[in-house]
Amino acid sequence: EPEVTQTPSHQVTQMGQEVILRCVPISNHLYFYWYRQILGQKVEFLVSFYNNEISEKSEIFDDQFSVERPDGSNFTLKIRSTKLEDSAMYFCASSELREVQFFGPGTRLTVL
Amino acid sequence: GEDVEQSLFLSVREGDSSVINCTYTDSSSTYLYWYKQEPGAGLQLLTYIFSNMDMKQDQRLTVLLNKKDKHLSLRIADTQTGDSAIYFCAEGGFNKFYFGSGTKLNVKP
Repeated sequence: EPEVTQTPSHQVTQMGQEVILRCVPISNHLYFYWYRQILGQKVEFLVSFYNNEISEKSEIFDDQFSVERPDGSNFTLKIRSTKLEDSAMYFCASSELREVQFFGPGTRLTVL
Repeated sequence: GEDVEQSLFLSVREGDSSVINCTYTDSSSTYLYWYKQEPGAGLQLLTYIFSNMDMKQDQRLTVLLNKKDKHLSLRIADTQTGDSAIYFCAEGGFNKFYFGSGTKLNVKP
């Protein structure tokens, strides 16, 4: 069964460094999303992406964040200058239509 | 903004039924969802219900939707120790989902 994959599973970085989290959505899906979950808290929406542009973003998704679909398969989230409070689990999701989103296993980001 | 609320914990004995409840605020959501998260793992879609339905059954899972009260529940029949996990209710608008805080289900043998 097709699934969303994410790499790496765990990323450790120093505060101020740039990180790129990678996702491979399900191949025939058209809508892509990033969410994050700070330890013990709710899963929070970050951004949605369709037709090579951002459809919607939350207030969390400030200028430090960017997303890109550099080729036909990958969907990336870049954090330019990481802060301690960026430590969280980051989930990628994709959907064929806008109703049902399938989530990847997540990347745990630890900022030291 | 939209808000999804769930109780934080539920403890049941193996073989019993579990009922996890959720309330939401956005009446325009087309679908409502239940996701399961096991320790250290991602979000697994368990089931979802279209907003004009009252009930959906899928093997051991039964979803009940009371649209008037904006109340969603997930019933797991014959709960097993492997069902121990955090269960998230979510409502979907276009472009994004809103998640509850999750209910941690503990199944005692």
